Amino acid sequence: DIQMTQSPSSLSASVGDRVTITCRASQRISSYLNWYQQKPGKAPKLLIYAASNLQSEVPSRFSGSGSGTDFTLTISSLQPEDCATYYCQQSYSTPYTFGQGTKLEIK
Amino acid sequence: QVQLQESGPGLVKPSQTLSLTCIVSGGSISSGGYYWSWIRQHPGKGLEWIGYIYYTGSTYENSSLKSRLIISIDTSKNQFSLKLSSVTAADTAVYYCARGDLARDYFDYWGQGALVTVSS
Repeated sequence: DIQMTQSPSSLSASVGDRVTITCRASQRISSYLNWYQQKPGKAPKLLIYAASNLQSEVPSRFSGSGSGTDFTLTISSLQPEDCATYYCQQSYSTPYTFGQGTKLEIK
Repeated sequence: QVQLQESGPGLVKPSQTLSLTCIVSGGSISSGGYYWSWIRQHPGKGLEWIGYIYYTGSTYENSSLKSRLIISIDTSKNQFSLKLSSVTAADTAVYYCARGDLARDYFDYWGQGALVTVSS
């Protein structure tokens, strides 16, 4: 199975900050990497697919980059509603696997 | 707008079978291009992919659960189901059904989730 490791596990940032979350795969996965946002009590929501493609209706302050084993999710200007847990997920091969999550809090 | 809704018992006894159904609305489960998945989340933990089924009935399961798992589809009712046998407390989780896009390989629509507790 492909292991996905996110860092940091949690972070606290202020409104307007630029925030970066990283995800590393245990083997090369090309660009088969998706990012999801999950708020408490809710299902995950797709933000970014194929490493760098913004899902429809997702604010443009979210962006993704990377290929191979190292990937990044960036929020260019943090907003209060971005308080959530973020997960990366590889779709390169089954079993599909997720990172352990990064909990983002607003200072 | 595609919507998915999980249904099933919220409490299952140890050693019994957990059964959930996902009803799909706003689109046909028989349309090609999508796979219908189950994903679970242990309390306070991350996400674990369980498996998926294609409208033809082809399935792919997580090997860690495969011996206890049956995923089936009923295209006439526009729904798909999960059966997990011989459950233990370790199977307590929120179970999500989700639609996977076959071409783009992502989960774009999710159910709200169903908490299933395994306890006597």
